[in-house]
Amino acid sequence: KQEVTQIPAALSVPEGENLVLNCSFTDSAIYNLQWFRQDPGKGLTSLLLIQSSQREQTSGRLNASLDKSSGRSTLYIAASQPGDSATYLCAVRLAGGGNKLTFGTGTQLKVEL
Amino acid sequence: GAGVSQSPSNKVTEKGKDVELRCDPISGHTALYWYRQSLGQGLEFLIYFQGNSAPDKSGLPSDRFSAERTGGSVSTLTIQRTQQEDSAVYLCASSLTINNEQFFGPGTRLTVL
Repeated sequence: KQEVTQIPAALSVPEGENLVLNCSFTDSAIYNLQWFRQDPGKGLTSLLLIQSSQREQTSGRLNASLDKSSGRSTLYIAASQPGDSATYLCAVRLAGGGNKLTFGTGTQLKVEL
Repeated sequence: GAGVSQSPSNKVTEKGKDVELRCDPISGHTALYWYRQSLGQGLEFLIYFQGNSAPDKSGLPSDRFSAERTGGSVSTLTIQRTQQEDSAVYLCASSLTINNEQFFGPGTRLTVL
């Protein structure tokens, strides 16, 4: 059974810092990996999707990398802002397992002024 | 265009009652997914529909849970004889096809008293 873990569980940083969120998964036979953010009381917003054949994806201040063989992904946020405060979730889709996602435990990020 | 919508946004019910949760996917999306987010379990897959294929029900926790998707569009998740452990946020997502990125609705917060 695929298990997805995110470290740290919570993180507080001052505005302007660069930071890295980690995601690890136990079954490397994935189809893709997706990073989401979730604001309190709201649904999920997709940030980046990395296909299994890709090493990284970038969108604005966000960069996500994927090392499938070691079962790891990182989400790098540059020049963090208070508006980045949210819970960040990674989710993996297994190859051949339909498009159901297995989600990580989440990292709760707070960016302080 | 319009995103995924869900109704109601909040539902409070008494133990033993049946509830129906509704999801309107993005127009033209052929795949629709239900997930549940609870404090103790994180975000878990429940069921997904892809076109006219038989749904993947592998995540439904018990036979009290069922879902339908009528006309390849709107979906209803039904929970019969609700229990307190059913209290959670129920999230719906849709994707253009089974191989595409999933987009999430705002969720329905269910509280069983």
